[in-house]
Amino acid sequence: GAVVSQHPSRVICKSGTSVKIECRSLDFQATTMFWYRQFPKKSLMLMATSNEGSKATYEQGVEKDKFLINHASLTLSTLTVTSAHPEDSSFYICSARASGVGTEAFFGQGTRLTVV
Amino acid sequence: AQKVTQAQTEISVVEKEDVTLDCVYETRDTTYYLFWYKQPPSGELVFLIRRNSFDEQNEISGRYSWNFQKSTSSFNFTITASQVVDSAVYFCAVTNDYKLSFGAGTTVTVRA
Repeated sequence: GAVVSQHPSRVICKSGTSVKIECRSLDFQATTMFWYRQFPKKSLMLMATSNEGSKATYEQGVEKDKFLINHASLTLSTLTVTSAHPEDSSFYICSARASGVGTEAFFGQGTRLTVV
Repeated sequence: AQKVTQAQTEISVVEKEDVTLDCVYETRDTTYYLFWYKQPPSGELVFLIRRNSFDEQNEISGRYSWNFQKSTSSFNFTITASQVVDSAVYFCAVTNDYKLSFGAGTTVTVRA
C-alpha cells in the first residue's frame, strides 16, 4: 500500500509552547489530508480536512486558531498545536488520500504528544 | 450523517480460535464505502479492506474474511485461526467519499 510518513512519533513539550507535526505522502500525491485525534482507548476523532492549496475545514468544536493546519503541497501537510496545554496531550494521526472516487486513506504512524 | 457501531468493546480468544467482529453502519447515502483498519500496539493504522456499497460480494484474504450484508447494514470481519500477532484494535469505518467516520473499535486479544 501507499506510504504516509508522520514525524515526530513522540514529542514532549512545555506548556505554552508550540509543536509542529508533519505528515508526508511518500509515493503518491495526496489531494486530501485528514487530521485525527485519538484519546486513550477511544476512537479516532476527525479534527480537520485539508485540500492542497486551500484552507482546512475544521470539525465542530475544534479550535482552528489552536490547531493550525497547512497543506502547502501535494505531499505535505502540517499540524501545529499552538500554546499547548496538558489537555492537548493526545495521539494525533494524519491520513492522506489520492484523488479518485472511493480511494482508501492511508495513515501515518501517529504522534504521541505530551504537554508538561 | 454517518455512524458506525461496533458493539463489541473487547474480545479475548485463545490462539487458533476464530473471532468475528461486528460492524453496523448508518448512512443516508446510496453510494458509500466501508473500511476495516487494524491498529496494533504501535499505534499505526493499517488498512485491511475497502468495499463499495454496490459490491456485496464477500471477500476472503488469507485468514481474513468479510461479510457485507446491505439488508442489515452490516460489514462483519472474521479472523480464522487467530494468532497472537492479530492482537490489536480493529476499526470499522464508513465514508461517502469525503471523510471517514469510525466506530469505537474492538480490542482483540489473542492468548497463546
